[in-house]
Amino acid sequence: AQKITQTQPGMFVQEKEAVTLDCTYDTSDPSYGLFWYKQPSSGEMIFLIYQGSYDQQNATEGRYSLNFQKARKSANLVISASQLGDSAMYFCAMREGVAGANNLFFGTGTRLTVIP
Amino acid sequence: DTAVSQTPKYLVTQMGNDKSIKCEQNLGHDTMYWYKQDSKKFLKIMFSYNNKELIINETVPNRFSPKSPDKAHLNLHINSLELGDSAVYFCASSNLFAETQYFGPGTRLLVL
Repeated sequence: AQKITQTQPGMFVQEKEAVTLDCTYDTSDPSYGLFWYKQPSSGEMIFLIYQGSYDQQNATEGRYSLNFQKARKSANLVISASQLGDSAMYFCAMREGVAGANNLFFGTGTRLTVIP
Repeated sequence: DTAVSQTPKYLVTQMGNDKSIKCEQNLGHDTMYWYKQDSKKFLKIMFSYNNKELIINETVPNRFSPKSPDKAHLNLHINSLELGDSAVYFCASSNLFAETQYFGPGTRLLVL
């Protein structure tokens, strides 16, 4: 079974609107971490936001917030006030177990296009 | 003052050749990783390494080998390159007990 599932291959959003990118995960480990990365057309992988499995509050970083619903095993990324520069691939990833030399499992990504 | 750097950025080579990709991090991290991103943009772990332990993804052919001359470097050596090795290779680093892995800019490898 896939550990990370991103069901939206592509999404469009109007500039200045909010958009939600979906991510569901599968693990039986009680301790895990969830990440979102952005990959613009230039190719680099940019860390956006992190949520730990024991965190009580949803993570926020500027215009990014992570809608963490543990019972549903979902970790959707919400981008508020979209900007043209937000157009990119977005990857959800998970680390299983406590932090350490643990590998990240990535989803297949969602390509977000912001329309002027 | 790039945090995680990789060289070269682009690598075009013939089948059967041996090549290396270098990775350096100046974040003081103690764990480094190599990932492969295929043509469909799927990212998969190849290796993780700290100064004590190398963990290899069992699906990685033994033509690939990581070499770490010191804590700040983890180079990737590839022997007898094959067409299917064409991909983007990302290096990343983290502190052993930190939450976030920081990625290099990627190396685009094309095998002809």
